[in-house]
Amino acid sequence: RKEVEQDPGPFNVPEGATVAFNCTYSNSASQSFFWYRQDCRKEPKLLMSVYSSGNEDGRFTAQLNRASQYISLLIRDSKLSDSATYLCVVDYGQNFVFGPGTRLSVLP
Amino acid sequence: ETGVTQSPTHLIKTRGQQVTLRCSSQSGHNTVSWYQQALGQGPQFIFQYYREEENGRGNFPPRFSGLQFPNYSSELNVNALELDDSALYLCASSLGTSYSYNEQFFGPGTRLTVL
Repeated sequence: RKEVEQDPGPFNVPEGATVAFNCTYSNSASQSFFWYRQDCRKEPKLLMSVYSSGNEDGRFTAQLNRASQYISLLIRDSKLSDSATYLCVVDYGQNFVFGPGTRLSVLP
Repeated sequence: ETGVTQSPTHLIKTRGQQVTLRCSSQSGHNTVSWYQQALGQGPQFIFQYYREEENGRGNFPPRFSGLQFPNYSSELNVNALELDDSALYLCASSLGTSYSYNEQFFGPGTRLTVL
């Protein structure tokens, strides 16, 4: 099993849609989890940290299931500006491991 | 913006050459991590520096080396360049050595092309 796996994508959704991204990880000892977004040919930018109890930031909701080693990101009422690649990030002790990313295109 | 800067922004080298990439961390951050991102893939961890010492290394050969300076800026050196080294090289700064709950903030990257 790969260290961090994500939905292969791409996801093409209309404006206003709700879209969910899934991520699984193999290290049961991981303590820190993040979602980053990366625009084309730009650096990754932190979208949100993921806490055990789940957390919400406006239209974005992140959830963590430690038993299943699964992380999710939900985007509600998607905007054109949400088009990007979404990267799941998990700590593996001494380093962060990034998933391959899932590309999202929000269409008018 | 994150306050993390990298130079140069783009670089073209030929096989066998050596390259040095530079990174200035965000003010107040003492840790710099370097990543390689090939086209269509997520960033891959190269190594991390904390207070001028290497503090973790990914699965990269010894020809990838680095330095961190007293002001916490950092360099990534790659010797004997290979075609597969063509990628976006990202540095990220953070505070402390523990990754738990310490978010990393990325610079804009250096795009290296090896011909």
